[in-house]
Amino acid sequence: EDKVVQSPLSLVVHEGDTVTLNCSYEVTNFRSLLWYKQEKKAPTFLFMLTSSGIEKKSGRLSSILDKKELSSILNITATQTGDSAIYLCAVEATSGTYKYIFGTGTRLKVLA
Amino acid sequence: KAGVTQTPRYLIKTRGQQVTLSCSPISGHRSVSWYQQTPGQGLQFLFEYFSETQRNKGNFPGRFSGRQFSNSRSEMNVSTLELGDSALYLCASSLSVSNYGYTFGSGTRLTVV
Repeated sequence: EDKVVQSPLSLVVHEGDTVTLNCSYEVTNFRSLLWYKQEKKAPTFLFMLTSSGIEKKSGRLSSILDKKELSSILNITATQTGDSAIYLCAVEATSGTYKYIFGTGTRLKVLA
Repeated sequence: KAGVTQTPRYLIKTRGQQVTLSCSPISGHRSVSWYQQTPGQGLQFLFEYFSETQRNKGNFPGRFSGRQFSNSRSEMNVSTLELGDSALYLCASSLSVSNYGYTFGSGTRLTVV
């Protein structure tokens, strides 16, 4: 059964800390891995990763995919209170009936 | 440009009733997908429509159905509501089925009592 597992489930840090969120997957016919940030309701797109070892970066956020280890990490440096959100990882698999398989998310809280 | 619009924002229904949720995609987006989000299960894929045709379907019972109109607007219907159907229902649109540019709406919070 295809699945996506995120860790940790929740995390509390202080402003300025660096955090690393993990996403591991077991899917057949992997196509891509996506990261989303969900603050209130609508998840917003962060990154899409398809190739191993190529870091995607946007400001203080960066992400990389390791196809050998079937995993991805999302790094946030110099965290701010505005980074508090649920971070979702989704994997697109081209087999079966599922389009995107989402993990349950990591809830990040950044304290001032 | 307007984002993905979902209506209503909140809904309270009783067990056994049915409900219809609406999603208007971003103008020009022809693919609409629906997800159910609950605290324990995360986001679970319901179905995807493209050009009025269901292209993908998740592992949900037949009580969950949907459709897409010629203007790409989509509706999903849940019949014979159960308490466990209480969730945030999110709609996402993209240009095409194979396009990765998902844009989510703010969702409809359904509470079944």
